[in-house]
Amino acid sequence: EIVLTQSPATLSLSPGERATLSCRASQSVSSYLAWYQQKPGQAPRLLIYDASNRATGIPARFSGSGSGTDFTLTVSSLEPEDFAVYYCQHRSNWPPITFGQGTRLEIK
Amino acid sequence: EVQLVESGGGLVQPGASLRLSCAASGFTFSTYAMSWVRQAPGKGLEWVSAISSSGSSTYYADSVKGRFSISRDNSKNTLYLQMNSLRAEDTAVYYCAKDIIGVTGNDYWGQGTLVTVSS
Repeated sequence: EIVLTQSPATLSLSPGERATLSCRASQSVSSYLAWYQQKPGQAPRLLIYDASNRATGIPARFSGSGSGTDFTLTVSSLEPEDFAVYYCQHRSNWPPITFGQGTRLEIK
Repeated sequence: EVQLVESGGGLVQPGASLRLSCAASGFTFSTYAMSWVRQAPGKGLEWVSAISSSGSSTYYADSVKGRFSISRDNSKNTLYLQMNSLRAEDTAVYYCAKDIIGVTGNDYWGQGTLVTVSS
């Protein structure tokens, strides 16, 4: 089973700052990686698919990069609505599909 | 507009069974693979099961293999999750999610249905 490890667990930043979230895979997942945003009481929302492609309707301030085992989600300039929990997910050599444990992005 | 609406959750005792449904609309259901993902209270996301567009292929997490069964009725645009021998650790919000063809990611999710397993 491929394990995804996200860091940091919690990231405290202010609106307008740049956020960099990391997801590391225990073995290569090529580019078979997605990023989601989840707010309290809501379903996850797809942000990035196949490591670097923004999903429909996702603002350009969200970007994804990486391949193999190391991936990054960047939010170039944080808006108040961006404070949430973020998960990465892989679909390589599945099943199983696995998620990272999440990074909580909180307002400083 | 794509909509996924789960139903069937509730409070059950350990060892009981429950069937979840996910009614899909706004897209050609029979074209897309579908998944179930769950989230225990205060915890992260856990993939549970997936099914191909035709229903001929099914996949399960080890934690539910042999106890849960995924199926679909493309004539009714509905996805199912039959859950047997439920355990306390199955307590979670269960989401159905639409896969994207040839891509890693689920682009639409339902609002979730809560399953609580407790005596």
